[in-house]
Amino acid sequence: KQEVTQIPAALSVPEGENLVLNCSFTDSAIYNLQWFRQDPGKGLTSLLLIQSSQREQTSGRLNASLDKSSGRSTLYIAASQPGDSATYLCAVRSNFGNEKLTFGTGTRLTIIP
Amino acid sequence: EAGVTQFPSHSVIEKGQTVTLRCDPISGHDNLYWYRRVMGKEIKFLLHFVKESKQDESGMPNNRFLAERTGGTYSTLKVQPAELEDSGVYFCASSQEPGQGTHYNSPLHFGNGTRLTVT
Repeated sequence: KQEVTQIPAALSVPEGENLVLNCSFTDSAIYNLQWFRQDPGKGLTSLLLIQSSQREQTSGRLNASLDKSSGRSTLYIAASQPGDSATYLCAVRSNFGNEKLTFGTGTRLTIIP
Repeated sequence: EAGVTQFPSHSVIEKGQTVTLRCDPISGHDNLYWYRRVMGKEIKFLLHFVKESKQDESGMPNNRFLAERTGGTYSTLKVQPAELEDSGVYFCASSQEPGQGTHYNSPLHFGNGTRLTVT
């Protein structure tokens, strides 16, 4: 059974700093890993999707890495801004039979102006 | 392109009542998923449609939950009768199937969710 863990549960950093969010998963047999952000009262916005054959994906100030063998992914946010404040979720799609995503509980990020 | 839309955004009902949630996926997306997040827990899978067929309903908690996708377009999720533990946020997502054997790599696009409160 796949399990996804995100640590820490909450993180506060001053504006302008670079930061890293962590995600770990127990079963390395995955198709891909997807990072989402969720703003309060809103849905999930897809940020980056990394295929199992890839090592990283970049979009603007965001960079996500994947180390499938060790069951880890990181989301790097450069030059953080108050608008980055949200809950960040990672989810893995395992390749043992169905298409469901397994989510972590998320990291609530607060950027302090 | 319009995103995944869900209705209603909020619903407050009493225990024992019935509620029906609706999801309109992105046009052309054959895959439609329901997920939910109950208080303090991670988001969990409920079921998956491919067009009008249920591909996987292993996450449905019990037979009080009924999902349909008539015609392969929008989907409804009915809870009848609702219980207190059904409270949470119900998300719908859709994905595109670009080709044979590759659809597992499509990103999921989520709606804003329906917040259900059972009192």
